[in-house]
Amino acid sequence: GESVGLHLPTLSVQEGDNSIINCAYSNSASDYFIWYKQESGKGPQFIIDIRSNMDKRQGQRVTVLLNKTVKHLSLQIAATQPGDSAVYFCAEILNTGGFKTIFGAGTRLFVKA
Amino acid sequence: GAVVSQHPSRVICKSGTSVKIECRSLDFQATTMFWYRQFPKQSLMLMATSNEGSKATYEQGVEKDKFLINHASLTLSTLTVTSAHPEDSSFYICSAPRAGNTEAFFGQGTRLTVV
Repeated sequence: GESVGLHLPTLSVQEGDNSIINCAYSNSASDYFIWYKQESGKGPQFIIDIRSNMDKRQGQRVTVLLNKTVKHLSLQIAATQPGDSAVYFCAEILNTGGFKTIFGAGTRLFVKA
Repeated sequence: GAVVSQHPSRVICKSGTSVKIECRSLDFQATTMFWYRQFPKQSLMLMATSNEGSKATYEQGVEKDKFLINHASLTLSTLTVTSAHPEDSSFYICSAPRAGNTEAFFGQGTRLTVV
């Protein structure tokens, strides 16, 4: 199956600090990307998306940056809170006659109070 | 509220038996649904694309005879893990995009434990 089946790297930050989570994607044809948050034992939750014709998009406390030249995405979380502790996945959306979501490796975020 | 519902959320079965997992879109029709498997501390791996009214499309390395997919209606896809073995123990997650939507909605996941 398609994905990167690596064990999750971990990012530990102090409450109130900003967090930056990075992701490399593989398919140059992807024109749409999403960041998901997954809490233990649950399915992924949509956080923010970005189209390939953009390089930055901001939401509430979150910003996604896209660098297509090096196929890199980042998620910035401002003023990180304990409730932000979770695993974060970037995903690329492939249009293969339907929109297929392919997940990156993921990063576990720990927020220290 | 949830727009994609998955059932059951947890199941324990004996080795050699089969288990069926259901994925329902609650307020929209989904001609396509996706099934993922996630092992502990790993990413979600796409297993197959479920197509309403036709055969599922399986990703490379996924055994179609072991993971039977049926998409019999526009709101329901089922994944049956046949002759389950302990190595099939995993978290199985389905997703469904709304028509014309690139974003897919995910079910709550099913934790399968084979003993």
